[in-house]
Amino acid sequence: DIQMTQSPSSLSASVGDRVTITCRASQSVGTYLHWYLQRPGTAPKLLIYAASSLQSGVPSRFSGSGSGTDFTLTINSLQPEDFATYYCQQTYSTPLTFGGGTKVEIK
Amino acid sequence: QITLKESGPGLVKPAQTLTLTCNYSGFSLSSSGVGVGWIRQPPGKALEWLAYINWDGDRRYSPSLKSRLTITKDTSKNQVVLTMTNMDPVDTATYYCAHRLISTGSGWAIDYWGQGTLVTVSS
Repeated sequence: DIQMTQSPSSLSASVGDRVTITCRASQSVGTYLHWYLQRPGTAPKLLIYAASSLQSGVPSRFSGSGSGTDFTLTINSLQPEDFATYYCQQTYSTPLTFGGGTKVEIK
Repeated sequence: QITLKESGPGLVKPAQTLTLTCNYSGFSLSSSGVGVGWIRQPPGKALEWLAYINWDGDRRYSPSLKSRLTITKDTSKNQVVLTMTNMDPVDTATYYCAHRLISTGSGWAIDYWGQGTLVTVSS
């Protein structure tokens, strides 16, 4: 199985901050790496697919980069609705695996 | 407009079999590239992929749960059913069904999720 490790596991930030979350795969996943946002009590929402493609309807302050084993999600100018938990997922091979999540909290 | 909705018993006893149904609309599971899968999330924990089934009948399962899972589709009813045998309290989680994103390089990314259904395993 490909293990996905996110860092940090949590962070505190203020509205307007730039936030970066990293995801590392235990082996290469090419660009089959996707990012989701999950607010409490709701289903996850796709933000970025194929490492850097912005999903339709997602604000342009979200961006993704990376390939192989190292990936980043960047949120420019954090907004109140962005305080949530973020997950990366690899779909290079089954079993599909998710990272452990990064909780973004209000400072 | 794509929608998915899970239904299930809510509460099951240990050792029982769980049957979850995903009713979907807005797409055809007979169309090339389309897939529906299941993901679960124990309270306060991370997401865990369980299984998926694609338009061509290709089924994949989490190896750690493979012996307990069966996923099937009924395109005439717009349903995907997941069964999980020998339920244990550690299987307590919110179970989501999900639609595969169809786009270049997207693999099995998920663009639509159901609202989730909480399954509690307790005697």
